[in-house]
Amino acid sequence: NAGVTQTPKFRVLKTGQSMTLLCAQDMNHEYMYWYRQDPGMGLRLIHYSVGEGTTAKGEVPDGYNVSRLKKQNFLLGLESAAPSQTSVYFCASSIQLAGFSEQFFGPGTRLTVL
Amino acid sequence: RKEVEQDPGPFNVPEGATVAFNCTYSNSASQSFFWYRQDCRKEPKLLMSVYSSGNEDGRFTAQLNRASQYISLLIRDSKLSDSATYLCVVTPLGRLYFGRGTQLTVWP
Repeated sequence: NAGVTQTPKFRVLKTGQSMTLLCAQDMNHEYMYWYRQDPGMGLRLIHYSVGEGTTAKGEVPDGYNVSRLKKQNFLLGLESAAPSQTSVYFCASSIQLAGFSEQFFGPGTRLTVL
Repeated sequence: RKEVEQDPGPFNVPEGATVAFNCTYSNSASQSFFWYRQDCRKEPKLLMSVYSSGNEDGRFTAQLNRASQYISLLIRDSKLSDSATYLCVVTPLGRLYFGRGTQLTVWP
C-alpha cells in the first residue's frame, strides 16, 4: 500500500516548456487535489476532483490544467511554464470532501522554471 | 484579508518546555479545523482535528474559540522530535485553507 505517489520528484524546465505531473493513489479515494507551496505562502489549492472524469478550479488555477481519466490518477499539466510556477507541488487525496476527512499527501514534486 | 493567519515563528524552545501556537481565521462559517505537521522538505501529515469542545492527544491539546475565531495548539513536554512546521487548516464552505505554518525547533 503505497498511499499517494508523485512523479517526478524533481524537474527543471525552461520558460515556455510544458510538462505533466502525475499523482497516483491506491486508497480508492474519490477526492483528489493539487496544491502548490511557496515560501511564506502556505499551501494553495490549484485544482481538485470529486471523482473520475470531474475537475474543478481551486484558488490559483491559472496556467494549469488537470485531468482525472482514472479514479486513481490525477494529472497536472503546465502548458507553457513560467518562472512564477517555480514551486513545490503536492498532490493529496481524501475519502470525503475537504474538511470532512483527513487528506493524505504525496511526497511532492520540486519544480524549477528557469 | 487572508482566510487564515498564523504566526510563522520561529519558536525555539528547550526540551521539556510547553509551547502554544495560535491561528486566526476570517470566515465565521468555517466548520472544520485541523492541525497538520510538516517536516522539513516533506509532505504535510494530519496531527489532529480540532473539536468544538477541545481535544487532547497525549502531549498535544487543540482548542477552538469560535467567538474570537481562533484555534490553538498546545504542546507539553516538548521533544526533539516535535521540531517541525505546524500548519493550521480551516474549512469554510468545503474548501481547505492552510495557514503558512509555524516553525518549531526544540533544542536539547
